[in-house]
Amino acid sequence: EADIYQTPRYLVIGTGKKITLECSQTMGHDKMYWYQQDPGMELHLIHYSYGVNSTEKGDLSSESTVSRIRTEHFPLTLESARPSHTSQYLCASSSRGETGELFFGEGSRLTVL
Amino acid sequence: TQLLEQSPQFLSIQEGENLTVYCNSSSVFSSLQWYRQEPGEGPVLLVTVVTGGEVKKLKRLTFQFGDARKDSSLHITAAQPGDTGLYLCAGAQYTGRRALTFGSGTRLQVQP
Repeated sequence: EADIYQTPRYLVIGTGKKITLECSQTMGHDKMYWYQQDPGMELHLIHYSYGVNSTEKGDLSSESTVSRIRTEHFPLTLESARPSHTSQYLCASSSRGETGELFFGEGSRLTVL
Repeated sequence: TQLLEQSPQFLSIQEGENLTVYCNSSSVFSSLQWYRQEPGEGPVLLVTVVTGGEVKKLKRLTFQFGDARKDSSLHITAAQPGDTGLYLCAGAQYTGRRALTFGSGTRLQVQP
């Protein structure tokens, strides 16, 4: 069973607030990803990391930022949340490259009022 | 432009019926994965297909990778309510992209 955890599961905040979505994995995976998903829709890659101090932007432009100071931890931050940021954010990790299985967290559902 | 198109987008069927979900692209993939996602959870891997023409079976689910590695299908025999969920295909490309590309998804509902 995959050991990847996201907090909070649900978050409702006002416009302009700073938020950080946490993601941790205990599998020692080098590769970690953040995907954005509207309900029942496809996943869009917004950030990925292939190791400590390595982060890159994905396909979907996002105002969020990420950091990878430790292998197990890959937090996502929004400096000033807006209603357009309302979505589900899914964190994933993989032990191998492009063909490796992705292990997903349960997601963080963000609502910005 | 969606790199991986899935069809149908939505499917509602009765328990016991058979169904096929398609994942199509104009691009070639080195491998393709199928995931199932239930409400409120993250996607979970069902299968990875690597070889063109490959067929894999997982109980009542049959997965096929096209000969040209541009498309894939998922066939479910005698669907059960437990099969309900969002089915996502995801492709890995040979070069230039360092993460999987996900398809548009097929939402399946199996009525008891």
